[in-house]
Amino acid sequence: GDSVTQMEGPVTLSEEAFLTINCTYTATGYPSLFWYVQYPGEGLQLLLKATKADDKGSNKGFEATYRKETTSFHLEKGSVQVSDSAVYFCALKDSGSRLTFGEGTQLTVNP
Amino acid sequence: KAGVTQTPRYLIKTRGQQVTLSCSPISGHRSVSWYQQTPGQGLQFLFEYFSETQRNKGNFPGRFSGRQFSNSRSEMNVSTLELGDSALYLCASSLDSGYSEQFFGPGTRLTVL
Repeated sequence: GDSVTQMEGPVTLSEEAFLTINCTYTATGYPSLFWYVQYPGEGLQLLLKATKADDKGSNKGFEATYRKETTSFHLEKGSVQVSDSAVYFCALKDSGSRLTFGEGTQLTVNP
Repeated sequence: KAGVTQTPRYLIKTRGQQVTLSCSPISGHRSVSWYQQTPGQGLQFLFEYFSETQRNKGNFPGRFSGRQFSNSRSEMNVSTLELGDSALYLCASSLDSGYSEQFFGPGTRLTVL
């Protein structure tokens, strides 16, 4: 079945550092790919998405490119802020509505 | 436009009891999906309802059930609660089934004692 693997966390960075969170997936079809963010005590917020190979999703300085050849969708940000501290989830969606999530990566940004 | 609302936000039950959680989707959205989030298993899909019909179901026992009303509001029920059912239950709504973005509510935190 479909699966998503994220880099093991947690990740701790200093403010203005470069962020990469790795995500790879296994799927039988051509899924859409997503990054969601979860702040403490809240639900999930969609951060960005890509629906086909070579698409780049971007939002709030975050970017991720759908790489079919490496089955990856790595999240990057050039300069993180303290307010970016949260848990980040990579997810895929097949032709239905079921989202399959990775384990989540806890990001802490120190001032 | 109001977001997805879930009630109650927090719930404490004891083993063997049953519980009903409610989700009101964004106005105009007809698809509602439910997910369970636990530290050990992460985020897992429970089921999806669209136009009052269950469209898809995850790998959970029959103790977990749901329904959707004509106004698209959805409820999920867990019977004969077990300690392992303690989790954050998240509801997500989308315009239709299959191809739209899903918008999540804040969740209901269920604790089973």
